[in-house]
Amino acid sequence: LAKTTQPISMDSYEGQEVNITCSHNNIATNDYITWYQQFPSQGPRFIIQGYKTKVTNEVASLFIPADRKSSTLSLPRVSLSDTAVYYCLGGGSYIPTFGRGTSLIVHP
Amino acid sequence: DAGVIQSPRHEVTEMGQEVTLRCKPISGHNSLFWYRQTMMRGLELLIYFNNNVPIDDSGMPEDRFSAKMPNASFSTLKIQPSEPRDSAVYFCASSLVGQGLYEQYFGPGTRLTVT
Repeated sequence: LAKTTQPISMDSYEGQEVNITCSHNNIATNDYITWYQQFPSQGPRFIIQGYKTKVTNEVASLFIPADRKSSTLSLPRVSLSDTAVYYCLGGGSYIPTFGRGTSLIVHP
Repeated sequence: DAGVIQSPRHEVTEMGQEVTLRCKPISGHNSLFWYRQTMMRGLELLIYFNNNVPIDDSGMPEDRFSAKMPNASFSTLKIQPSEPRDSAVYFCASSLVGQGLYEQYFGPGTRLTVT
């Protein structure tokens, strides 16, 4: 099981780029990196997944270096509505475990 | 698609009463998960079904909890008898073979309060 470590909380301001880094030193060769977003009073929402290098979609970008021991979720130009908890998961063939995630608060 | 549907959205009950939470997964999805979320323990997996069969129930707290999936479009999580420490938000999620266990779609949750 790939154990992930991410900051408990982060603060940012509207319009800034936010980068949330997750470390997963023991990630297995076949494991993917997956990020979820959870807004208050809602269920988590899958936002992005990658294996290596860079993946981008309409919500975020995910950067995974060659050694895959860490990954960075990048949110461009955040707004107040990006205030949420962000979970980093590492794995693939086994049942995922959600940790505490990173609580991102975006200030006006 | 309507997404994962859960009912009720809110449930308030007294200690000792039976509680049944319901979930309708996304049509065509063949994996279903029940989670519990509290401030103290975060998001915990309770049980995982694949093709209506329970695969891993190691997260079910104790015998008071039971889950069933009689068909591909319906699942229940039952607590009998309920206790105040069961107060939490319960989420149901589903996923599709081919998308993997890590691309799950969550329902809105049921907020359970046991007094």
